[in-house]
Amino acid sequence: AQSVTQLGSHVSVSEGALVLLRCNYSSSVPPYLFWYVQYPNQGLQLLLKYTSAATLVKGINGFEAEFKKSETSFHLTKPSAHMSDAAEYFCAVSDISGGSNYKLTFGKGTLLTVNP
Amino acid sequence: KAGVTQTPRYLIKTRGQQVTLSCSPISGHRSVSWYQQTPGQGLQFLFEYFSETQRNKGNFPGRFSGRQFSNSRSEMNVSTLELGDSALYLCASSLGQGNDEQYFGPGTRLTVT
Repeated sequence: AQSVTQLGSHVSVSEGALVLLRCNYSSSVPPYLFWYVQYPNQGLQLLLKYTSAATLVKGINGFEAEFKKSETSFHLTKPSAHMSDAAEYFCAVSDISGGSNYKLTFGKGTLLTVNP
Repeated sequence: KAGVTQTPRYLIKTRGQQVTLSCSPISGHRSVSWYQQTPGQGLQFLFEYFSETQRNKGNFPGRFSGRQFSNSRSEMNVSTLELGDSALYLCASSLGQGNDEQYFGPGTRLTVT
């Protein structure tokens, strides 16, 4: 079974500082990888996805992530944090077994706090 | 284009009762997936429906079931509710072809007392 590990359940940064949220996956085949963001009392919003087209993936709101197969990592970064980035972030991998790409396995999430 | 809608948004039920949650996907989307989100277990996949057929299933007991209608709308049902079923239930829709992304609804917050 696939698994996703997000290092750090809580990350705190200052406004304007670099955001780095870590994600490692376990998979025997190149997976599809995703980052989602969840604001309080809302559903999940897709930030970006990796589908093997390019190892550096750019997403919305200035976020990007780099797929590193040798490290089985897919860390999310943003050069300069904004107050509006405060939310919970989830890394997910799709399970392509059974002919469907739509079974997502999520990490436990990282709560990002942005300090003024 | 309207997003994924889920009804009701909040629900309170008593142990032993059953509940039905509804999800209307984005127009044109044929795949609907359901997830359970709890503080302890995080986000867990329940099942996915495509063209009225269950295409994938997670590791949940048989008390959790679902279905999809010809208009792609989906319902999930939980019978004999337990306290541990209290959670945010999220529905996601997609075109269902290949690796297109899933769009999530706002969720239904179920509280079991």
